[in-house]
Amino acid sequence: AQSVTQLGSHVSVSEGALVLLRCNYSSSVPPYLFWYVQYPNQGLQLLLKYTTGATLVKGINGFEAEFKKSETSFHLTKPSAHMSDAAEYFCAVSDSGNTPLVFGKGTRLSVIA
Amino acid sequence: DTAVSQTPKYLVTQMGNDKSIKCEQNLGHDTMYWYKQDSKKFLKIMFSYNNKELIINETVPNRFSPKSPDKAHLNLHINSLELGDSAVYFCASSQDVAQRGYGYTFGSGTRLTVV
Repeated sequence: AQSVTQLGSHVSVSEGALVLLRCNYSSSVPPYLFWYVQYPNQGLQLLLKYTTGATLVKGINGFEAEFKKSETSFHLTKPSAHMSDAAEYFCAVSDSGNTPLVFGKGTRLSVIA
Repeated sequence: DTAVSQTPKYLVTQMGNDKSIKCEQNLGHDTMYWYKQDSKKFLKIMFSYNNKELIINETVPNRFSPKSPDKAHLNLHINSLELGDSAVYFCASSQDVAQRGYGYTFGSGTRLTVV
């Protein structure tokens, strides 16, 4: 069965610093991987996704993630944090068409001025 | 025009009541979902419908009953509400159950508080 582990329930960075949010997955087949962001009192918004092809994927708001099959990882990065990046971030995996997205437990990102 | 809309946004009700949450999507998607987000932000799938047919029903109490009158709507009815039902409920849609690469579009959520 597919699963997602997000290391660190809370990450705090200074404004302008590198953002690194970790995600490891478990899947019996080549996975499709997603990062979603949830701002306070809002729904989830798709940041980026990996399906096939290039393993480094770019998303909205300057975020990117790299699929590393050997490490079963899909970590999310952003070179320079902005105050507006403060939110909850969820990694999700899909390993077959008939199973729904499985989400990690989320990582809350705080950005300090 | 909101892609996936849920109503109401907030719902406060007493234990034992019956309530419904409505969801509509205007994306032309074939598949719709209900997720429950608990107080620790954990998202858990509850139901999935493809073209009005139930395809996933996780271990959810039978007090929860989804209804899909057409593929653009997926409503959630909850009977005999309990304190533990307090959570944020998210509706989502995707292009097709087999097109797993597209991801889901989420509604803004319904915060249910049972008192």
